[in-house]
Amino acid sequence: RKEVEQDPGPFNVPEGATVAFNCTYSNSASQSFFWYRQDCRKEPKLLMSVYSSGNEDGRFTAQLNRASQYISLLIRDSKLSDSATYLCVVNKPGGYQKVTFGIGTKLQVIP
Amino acid sequence: DVKVTQSSRYLVKRTGEKVFLECVQDMDHENMFWYRQDPGLGLRLIYFSYDVKMKEKGDIPEGYSVSREKKERFSLILESASTNQTSMYLCASSLPGTGVSSALTQHFGDGTRLSIL
Repeated sequence: RKEVEQDPGPFNVPEGATVAFNCTYSNSASQSFFWYRQDCRKEPKLLMSVYSSGNEDGRFTAQLNRASQYISLLIRDSKLSDSATYLCVVNKPGGYQKVTFGIGTKLQVIP
Repeated sequence: DVKVTQSSRYLVKRTGEKVFLECVQDMDHENMFWYRQDPGLGLRLIYFSYDVKMKEKGDIPEGYSVSREKKERFSLILESASTNQTSMYLCASSLPGTGVSSALTQHFGDGTRLSIL
């Protein structure tokens, strides 16, 4: 089983739609979770951390389900500018702050 | 703002050449990383450094080495370049931490698209 698994998509959604991505992780000892955003031919950038109780940043909501070992990202009222690849990132327990990146889920918001 | 600078955006080299990719960060971060990113495979960690002269192998270190002589600079070396090392290479840095989410945030450079002919 891969350490971090994501559906690569693409998810094609109309402007204004709500879209959700899931990401599963294999190591139950992982403690830190993130969503990164990567635009085409650009570097990844942190979108938001994912906290145990769930957290929201504007139109974006991130949630963690430890029992089922997955995290989710919900985007409400999708904008054209949300088109990007969303990378799920999970820390590797032990060691010196290494993380594992998922392959990413591609989102295309259509006018 | 953290700035991570990679020496080249695009690089073309020949099979068998020794290739150096340079990365510099300006935020005094202890941790620095080299990844490669390939379609369908995502980002894979090549090497990691947690301090000057300290390094640790990542998931795919074969064919690569690294050097960290100064805190701000982390170099990736392809000892004898091969065509399967054609890829996008990304450098990142982060603060040290022990499970605090913000400390694990990685700041990336723009990437170097390396082609080996």
